[in-house]
Amino acid sequence: GAVVSQHPSRVICKSGTSVKIECRSLDFQATTMFWYRQFPKQSLMLMATSNEGSKATYEQGVEKDKFLINHASLTLSTLTVTSAHPEDSSFYICSAPPGQGLTEAFFGQGTRLTVV
Amino acid sequence: KQEVTQIPAALSVPEGENLVLNCSFTDSAIYNLQWFRQDPGKGLTSLLLIQSSQREQTSGRLNASLDKSSGRSTLYIAASQPGDSATYLCAVSPRNNDMRFGAGTRLTVKP
Repeated sequence: GAVVSQHPSRVICKSGTSVKIECRSLDFQATTMFWYRQFPKQSLMLMATSNEGSKATYEQGVEKDKFLINHASLTLSTLTVTSAHPEDSSFYICSAPPGQGLTEAFFGQGTRLTVV
Repeated sequence: KQEVTQIPAALSVPEGENLVLNCSFTDSAIYNLQWFRQDPGKGLTSLLLIQSSQREQTSGRLNASLDKSSGRSTLYIAASQPGDSATYLCAVSPRNNDMRFGAGTRLTVKP
């Protein structure tokens, strides 16, 4: 199957700093990437859809100025959590959807963000 | 808006038991349904993918069924093992580019 590589797997940062999470498609070109967030004991919730070469589409209630998404190439999508707060502590995971040469969705390994 | 519900939220069984996890969704116009496993603090592992035209898929001790008309899917695990302990997530794709997840079922298999 296709490989989606997400880094870092874990990150601890101080309040007010920014954290960048990278999601790379290693053996295919991803025109679209989904970003999800999961709080403890809750379901994965879609945050935004990144599209190569254009602006990301954000779900309702997700602050676009806080969660900056960049999809500058067909193999890299990034999520930057700006001015992080403890309530941003969560599990973030990216996914390449079906289509674009894929028959099913493939997920990155996820990033556990802890803001202290 | 598509809503996905998983029952039960948590399940604890002794090793060797057969068990069924349930998933229901409100909009039957789905492209596919996928079952995932998630270990604590880890990413998702895809278990089974059922296309909308299919009724079931099998992989080893796992069998997933899909009844689109009633908006239901079940994941059957045969002869459960302690290594099966994890959270199992059901996700549906209303169209060919998005997924909606259930909250998951936390399974514990006791030795």
